[in-house]
Amino acid sequence: DAGVIQSPRHEVTEMGQEVTLRCKPISGHDYLFWYRQTMMRGLELLIYFNNNVPIDDSGMPEDRFSAKMPNASFSTLKIQPSEPRDSAVYFCASSLSNIQYFGAGTRLSVL
Amino acid sequence: KQEVTQIPAALSVPEGENLVLNCSFTDSAIYNLQWFRQDPGKGLTSLLLIQSSQREQTSGRLNASLDKSSGRSTLYIAASQPGDSATYLCAVTSGSRLTFGEGTQLTVNP
Repeated sequence: DAGVIQSPRHEVTEMGQEVTLRCKPISGHDYLFWYRQTMMRGLELLIYFNNNVPIDDSGMPEDRFSAKMPNASFSTLKIQPSEPRDSAVYFCASSLSNIQYFGAGTRLSVL
Repeated sequence: KQEVTQIPAALSVPEGENLVLNCSFTDSAIYNLQWFRQDPGKGLTSLLLIQSSQREQTSGRLNASLDKSSGRSTLYIAASQPGDSATYLCAVTSGSRLTFGEGTQLTVNP
Protein backbone atom coordinates (compact mmCIF):
# COMPACT_ATOMS: atom_id res chain seq x y z
CA ASP A 1 0.00 0.00 0.00
CA ALA A 2 1.23 3.52 -0.78
CA GLY A 3 0.25 4.81 2.63
CA VAL A 4 -2.00 7.77 3.35
CA ILE A 5 -2.03 10.08 0.37
CA GLN A 6 -2.78 13.77 0.70
CA SER A 7 -3.17 16.37 -1.98
CA PRO A 8 -2.11 18.95 -2.73
CA ARG A 9 1.25 18.99 -0.91
CA HIS A 10 1.32 22.76 -0.99
CA GLU A 11 -1.48 25.27 -1.42
CA VAL A 12 -1.16 29.03 -1.62
CA THR A 13 -4.35 31.01 -1.81
CA GLU A 14 -5.73 34.41 -1.08
CA MET A 15 -7.88 35.34 1.86
CA GLY A 16 -11.54 34.68 1.18
CA GLN A 17 -10.99 31.86 -1.28
CA GLU A 18 -12.29 28.34 -0.78
CA VAL A 19 -9.68 25.68 -0.06
CA THR A 20 -10.22 21.93 -0.36
CA LEU A 21 -7.73 19.44 1.02
CA ARG A 22 -7.94 15.80 0.04
CA CYS A 23 -7.00 12.54 1.69
CA LYS A 24 -6.94 8.92 0.61
CA PRO A 25 -6.57 6.62 3.63
CA ILE A 26 -4.88 3.25 3.67
CA SER A 27 -7.18 0.62 2.22
CA GLY A 28 -9.02 -1.30 4.91
CA HIS A 29 -8.54 1.28 7.66
CA ASP A 30 -11.79 2.23 9.37
CA TYR A 31 -10.70 5.40 11.15
CA LEU A 32 -9.68 8.66 9.50
CA PHE A 33 -8.35 11.72 11.29
CA TRP A 34 -7.69 15.33 10.27
CA TYR A 35 -5.06 17.30 12.22
CA ARG A 36 -3.66 20.80 11.99
CA GLN A 37 -0.09 21.65 12.99
CA THR A 38 1.14 25.16 13.76
CA MET A 39 4.13 26.50 15.61
CA MET A 40 1.92 28.17 18.19
CA ARG A 41 -0.49 25.32 18.95
CA GLY A 42 1.34 22.17 17.88
CA LEU A 43 -0.69 19.26 16.53
CA GLU A 44 -4.44 19.54 17.06
CA LEU A 45 -7.10 17.01 16.19
CA LEU A 46 -9.80 18.66 14.09
CA ILE A 47 -12.19 15.80 13.38
CA TYR A 48 -12.25 12.05 13.02
CA PHE A 49 -14.42 9.52 11.25
CA ASN A 50 -15.21 5.88 11.93
CA ASN A 51 -16.57 3.88 9.01
CA ASN A 52 -17.14 7.14 7.11
CA VAL A 53 -19.24 8.65 9.92
CA PRO A 54 -18.00 11.77 11.76
CA ILE A 55 -17.54 10.86 15.40
CA ASP A 56 -15.98 13.91 17.00
CA ASP A 57 -15.71 17.31 15.35
CA SER A 58 -15.14 19.29 18.51
CA GLY A 59 -11.72 20.35 17.28
CA MET A 60 -13.03 22.07 14.19
CA PRO A 61 -12.25 25.70 14.90
CA GLU A 62 -15.16 27.45 13.18
CA ASP A 63 -18.07 26.96 10.86
CA ARG A 64 -15.77 27.91 8.04
CA PHE A 65 -14.28 24.43 8.35
CA SER A 66 -16.10 21.35 7.14
CA ALA A 67 -15.06 17.76 6.49
CA LYS A 68 -16.68 14.94 4.57
CA MET A 69 -15.99 11.30 3.96
CA PRO A 70 -18.27 10.16 1.14
CA ASN A 71 -16.71 6.71 1.00
CA ALA A 72 -14.06 4.59 2.67
CA SER A 73 -11.32 5.71 0.31
CA PHE A 74 -11.70 9.47 0.26
CA SER A 75 -12.10 12.44 2.57
CA THR A 76 -12.01 16.20 2.16
CA LEU A 77 -11.40 19.10 4.49
CA LYS A 78 -12.81 22.36 3.21
CA ILE A 79 -12.22 25.90 4.43
CA GLN A 80 -14.60 28.55 3.15
CA PRO A 81 -13.76 31.40 3.29
CA SER A 82 -10.09 30.99 4.14
CA GLU A 83 -8.24 33.44 6.40
CA PRO A 84 -4.51 34.06 6.97
CA ARG A 85 -4.73 32.45 10.43
CA ASP A 86 -5.67 29.18 8.75
CA SER A 87 -2.12 28.92 7.44
CA ALA A 88 -0.72 25.65 8.79
CA VAL A 89 0.18 22.11 7.84
CA TYR A 90 -2.86 19.87 7.70
CA PHE A 91 -2.34 16.15 8.23
CA CYS A 92 -4.62 13.26 7.51
CA ALA A 93 -4.13 9.93 9.30
CA SER A 94 -5.85 6.58 9.15
CA SER A 95 -5.88 3.57 11.43
CA LEU A 96 -7.28 0.08 11.82
CA SER A 97 -5.98 -0.70 15.27
CA ASN A 98 -4.36 1.70 17.70
CA ILE A 99 -1.60 2.88 15.40
CA GLN A 100 -2.29 5.91 13.24
CA TYR A 101 -0.48 6.28 9.94
CA PHE A 102 0.04 9.83 8.79
CA GLY A 103 0.14 11.35 5.35
CA ALA A 104 2.88 13.78 4.36
CA GLY A 105 0.58 16.74 4.98
CA THR A 106 -0.65 19.75 3.03
CA ARG A 107 1.12 23.01 3.72
CA LEU A 108 -1.48 25.77 3.40
CA SER A 109 -0.57 29.42 3.08
CA VAL A 110 -3.38 31.95 3.05
CA LEU A 111 -2.19 35.39 1.98
CA LYS B 1 -8.97 17.76 29.32
CA GLN B 2 -5.81 15.79 28.62
CA GLU B 3 -2.61 17.80 28.41
CA VAL B 4 0.72 16.41 27.26
CA THR B 5 4.02 18.12 28.02
CA GLN B 6 7.43 17.29 26.63
CA ILE B 7 10.77 18.28 28.11
CA PRO B 8 13.15 19.48 26.85
CA ALA B 9 11.81 21.45 23.89
CA ALA B 10 15.16 21.09 22.16
CA LEU B 11 18.24 18.98 22.70
CA SER B 12 21.64 18.95 21.00
CA VAL B 13 24.07 16.11 21.66
CA PRO B 14 27.26 14.75 20.12
CA GLU B 15 27.08 11.54 18.15
CA GLY B 16 27.29 8.40 20.23
CA GLU B 17 25.63 9.76 23.33
CA ASN B 18 22.75 8.04 25.04
CA LEU B 19 19.82 10.37 25.70
CA VAL B 20 16.40 10.54 27.31
CA LEU B 21 13.35 12.45 26.19
CA ASN B 22 10.56 13.07 28.68
CA CYS B 23 6.80 13.17 28.33
CA SER B 24 4.15 13.81 30.97
CA PHE B 25 0.36 13.72 30.78
CA THR B 26 -2.30 14.98 33.14
CA ASP B 27 -4.99 12.30 32.89
CA SER B 28 -3.80 8.78 33.64
CA ALA B 29 -6.91 7.20 32.09
CA ILE B 30 -5.19 6.47 28.80
CA TYR B 31 -5.52 3.59 26.41
CA ASN B 32 -1.97 3.75 25.13
CA LEU B 33 0.97 6.06 24.54
CA GLN B 34 2.91 6.48 21.33
CA TRP B 35 6.18 8.05 20.38
CA PHE B 36 6.41 9.54 16.90
CA ARG B 37 9.22 10.95 14.84
CA GLN B 38 8.75 13.91 12.49
CA ASP B 39 11.38 14.96 9.99
CA PRO B 40 11.28 18.54 8.65
CA GLY B 41 8.53 18.98 6.08
CA LYS B 42 7.34 15.41 6.54
CA GLY B 43 4.53 13.57 8.24
CA LEU B 44 4.74 11.58 11.44
CA THR B 45 6.16 8.10 11.77
CA SER B 46 5.13 5.92 14.69
CA LEU B 47 8.17 4.61 16.55
CA LEU B 48 6.80 2.79 19.57
CA LEU B 49 3.38 2.04 21.02
CA ILE B 50 2.95 1.17 24.70
CA GLN B 51 -0.40 -0.18 25.82
CA SER B 52 -1.66 1.10 29.17
CA SER B 53 -1.02 -2.32 30.74
CA GLN B 54 2.61 -2.35 29.63
CA ARG B 55 5.62 -0.68 31.19
CA GLU B 56 8.02 -0.53 28.27
CA GLN B 57 8.62 -1.28 24.62
CA THR B 58 11.87 -1.66 22.73
CA SER B 59 12.75 -1.31 19.08
CA GLY B 60 16.40 -1.41 18.12
CA ARG B 61 18.20 1.45 19.85
CA LEU B 62 14.92 2.88 21.16
CA ASN B 63 13.32 2.05 24.49
CA ALA B 64 10.14 3.67 25.74
CA SER B 65 8.82 3.37 29.27
CA LEU B 66 5.43 4.16 30.72
CA ASP B 67 4.45 4.92 34.31
CA LYS B 68 0.75 5.49 34.00
CA SER B 69 0.15 6.22 37.68
CA SER B 70 2.57 9.12 37.66
CA GLY B 71 1.64 10.25 34.17
CA ARG B 72 5.12 9.91 32.72
CA SER B 73 6.89 8.32 29.80
CA THR B 74 10.48 8.40 28.64
CA LEU B 75 12.07 7.63 25.29
CA TYR B 76 15.64 6.41 25.59
CA ILE B 77 17.86 6.53 22.51
CA ALA B 78 21.08 4.58 22.75
CA ALA B 79 24.24 5.45 20.83
CA SER B 80 22.67 8.39 19.02
CA GLN B 81 23.46 9.00 15.35
CA PRO B 82 23.12 12.09 13.13
CA GLY B 83 20.27 10.31 11.36
CA ASP B 84 18.31 10.43 14.62
CA SER B 85 18.01 14.21 14.24
CA ALA B 86 14.30 15.00 14.10
CA THR B 87 11.41 16.14 16.25
CA TYR B 88 10.07 13.48 18.60
CA LEU B 89 6.44 13.69 19.67
CA CYS B 90 4.68 11.89 22.45
CA ALA B 91 0.94 11.24 22.13
CA VAL B 92 -1.59 9.61 24.44
CA THR B 93 -4.77 7.91 23.36
CA SER B 94 -8.03 8.38 25.23
CA GLY B 95 -10.84 6.63 23.39
CA SER B 96 -9.94 7.18 19.75
CA ARG B 97 -8.42 10.61 20.30
CA LEU B 98 -4.70 11.23 20.21
CA THR B 99 -3.42 14.18 22.23
CA PHE B 100 0.07 15.29 21.26
CA GLY B 101 2.83 17.00 23.14
CA GLU B 102 4.65 19.85 21.46
CA GLY B 103 7.68 17.72 20.73
CA THR B 104 11.39 17.67 21.43
CA GLN B 105 13.64 18.81 18.61
CA LEU B 106 16.73 16.61 18.68
CA THR B 107 19.97 17.42 16.91
CA VAL B 108 22.77 14.85 16.92
CA ASN B 109 26.04 16.41 15.87
CA PRO B 110 28.65 14.35 14.00
